Amino acid sequence: AQTVTQSQPEMSVQEAETVTLSCTYDTSENNYYLFWYKQPPSRQMILVIRQEAYKQQNATENRFSVNFQKAAKSFSLKISDSQLGDTAMYFCAFAGGADGLTFGKGTHLIIQP
Amino acid sequence: ETGVTQSPTHLIKTRGQQVTLRCSSQSGHNTVSWYQQALGQGPQFIFQYYREEENGRGNFPPRFSGLQFPNYSSELNVNALELDDSALYLCASSNTGTTQETQYFGPGTRLLVL
Repeated sequence: AQTVTQSQPEMSVQEAETVTLSCTYDTSENNYYLFWYKQPPSRQMILVIRQEAYKQQNATENRFSVNFQKAAKSFSLKISDSQLGDTAMYFCAFAGGADGLTFGKGTHLIIQP
Repeated sequence: ETGVTQSPTHLIKTRGQQVTLRCSSQSGHNTVSWYQQALGQGPQFIFQYYREEENGRGNFPPRFSGLQFPNYSSELNVNALELDDSALYLCASSNTGTTQETQYFGPGTRLLVL
């Protein structure tokens, strides 16, 4: 079974700063996908970014980018020019096999004005 | 394009009762997955339905069961409710039977068991 670890329960940064959320995972699989989801207080889980393990190039989506280190089993999320609307819980998730998504415990990100 | 919807939004039950939660998948999606999210935790995978058949299950007891209908909407049924079943139940849809495909989540149903 795979595990996902998010070691930062909470982070706080000023608006417009850059912040990096860390995620490590453990798996014996070679083909898998990794995701970052955002869950604002409204509760709805929103996809932020997705990375295929077979791709060496790090995924980017506007202000969001990842640093995927397959050998180290590390998958961090960088948010540039942070905005007040980025305040939310952020979950790292692993997808491989037929066991559904495996989520970490989340990082509560607070963007201060 | 209609997103994933869930009903009801909130529900209060007592221990030992049964509950049914409902989910309508995003248009064009044929796969529905259910997750349980306890307070302060990440979601835990319950099971997945693909074309009306269960094709994956997490570590949940048999009193958690489900259905998927021909229009790909889905139900989650929980029998003999326990206090620990209090959680946010999330439904997610995708358009293949695999978990590697991006899953799109609904707003969830908050269940409180007293």
